[in-house]
Amino acid sequence: AQSVTQLGSHVSVSEGALVLLRCNYSSSVPPYLFWYVQYPNQGLQLLLKYTSAATLVKGINGFEAEFKKSETSFHLTKPSAHMSDAAEYFCAVSDRGGGFKTIFGAGTRLFVKA
Amino acid sequence: GAVVSQHPSRVICKSGTSVKIECRSLDFQATTMFWYRQFPKQSLMLMATSNEGSKATYEQGVEKDKFLINHASLTLSTLTVTSAHPEDSSFYICSAPSGGANEQFFGPGTRLTVL
Repeated sequence: AQSVTQLGSHVSVSEGALVLLRCNYSSSVPPYLFWYVQYPNQGLQLLLKYTSAATLVKGINGFEAEFKKSETSFHLTKPSAHMSDAAEYFCAVSDRGGGFKTIFGAGTRLFVKA
Repeated sequence: GAVVSQHPSRVICKSGTSVKIECRSLDFQATTMFWYRQFPKQSLMLMATSNEGSKATYEQGVEKDKFLINHASLTLSTLTVTSAHPEDSSFYICSAPSGGANEQFFGPGTRLTVL
């Protein structure tokens, strides 16, 4: 069975500061890993994905994440936070052979202070 | 990228009525689609896997007689909430995998409010 743990339900940073959102996964097979962003009352937008190519994945809006198998982690970072980054972020894992059934973490709400 | 649409985007209904939500893959075919529900300030919980031409597969704890799923074509899956009650009020999101892209594509969601 697969699972995702996001450490910290809320993260607050100042504008211009580093953003670090933590995600650890559990999977019995090599996983696909994703980060999504959700704005209020909207659907999900894919930020980036790991599908066994490069372990450092670059996404949209300046975000990137690094797949670390030894730590079973896939933390999301952005060097400099912007006010528009304030949103809910979900880490997700998918079974490569399971028809892309995707399991989501509990989510982390990012607050950006001026 | 691939596009998934949902209709309606919002629906308000009276308790005891049934509501149908449509999920369409607009520019690709999807033999499988997934239905999620999301309560306020919570994560997405997978409800069921919709399979074209066969019965849906429901996650543990999801009532299949309450949440009827029909995947009648390669581009359309429907979720019907039968005899809706206020506790069914939620945000329902569908998704479809696009195999070539190795990812899910999500619909914009449907906000259901049961009075």
